[in-house]
Amino acid sequence: AQSVTQPDIHITVSEGASLELRCNYSYGATPYLFWYVQSPGQGLQLLLKYFSGDTLVQGIKGFEAEFKRSQSSFNLRKPSVHWSDAAEYFCAVALVNSGYALNFGKGTSLLVTP
Amino acid sequence: EAGVAQSPRYKIIEKRQSVAFWCNPISGHATLYWYQQILGQGPKLLIQFQNNGVVDDSQLPKDRFSAERLKGVDSTLKIQPAKLEDSAVYLCASSLTGSSNQPQHFGDGTRLSIL
Repeated sequence: AQSVTQPDIHITVSEGASLELRCNYSYGATPYLFWYVQSPGQGLQLLLKYFSGDTLVQGIKGFEAEFKRSQSSFNLRKPSVHWSDAAEYFCAVALVNSGYALNFGKGTSLLVTP
Repeated sequence: EAGVAQSPRYKIIEKRQSVAFWCNPISGHATLYWYQQILGQGPKLLIQFQNNGVVDDSQLPKDRFSAERLKGVDSTLKIQPAKLEDSAVYLCASSLTGSSNQPQHFGDGTRLSIL
């Protein structure tokens, strides 16, 4: 079954520091992978997506993610975190056999300290 | 363009009562999804529509949940009767065609509390 694991429930970083959020997936073929961000009381906003091609994907708000097939990973990175980046981050894989609905990880809560 | 609209934003009911949520997708979007997001977890798909037909409702608890999208535009999700474990945020999303390269756009959700 297709599944997504986000090993870190909470992460705290200082403003201006670099960020890496981990995501591992379980899927037999090349997956369609996504990162979404959710601010409190808000819906989910798409940060970036990977379907094929270049394994380093650029997204909005200065985020990027790298697809590594050998490690079954799709980690999200940002070189310098801003206080406004504090939010919940979700990694997701599209369920190809189910109309491309999304299967989400449990999320990583990011706290940014001054 | 206007985003996905959901109402109400909040709802508090007692267990065994019924409740309904409404979603209006982005204009022209053929595919509509309902997700349930329990506190501390990622969203879980409940049902997916393509126009007014159901693509996947395998995770919808059909003994108490129902959903419809009669005219292929807006949609209603109903719970009857509600249980304590139904406390969650219910998110509606839409995409243009439902294919892999079409992103899903999410509404702000309806937060349901069961007393």
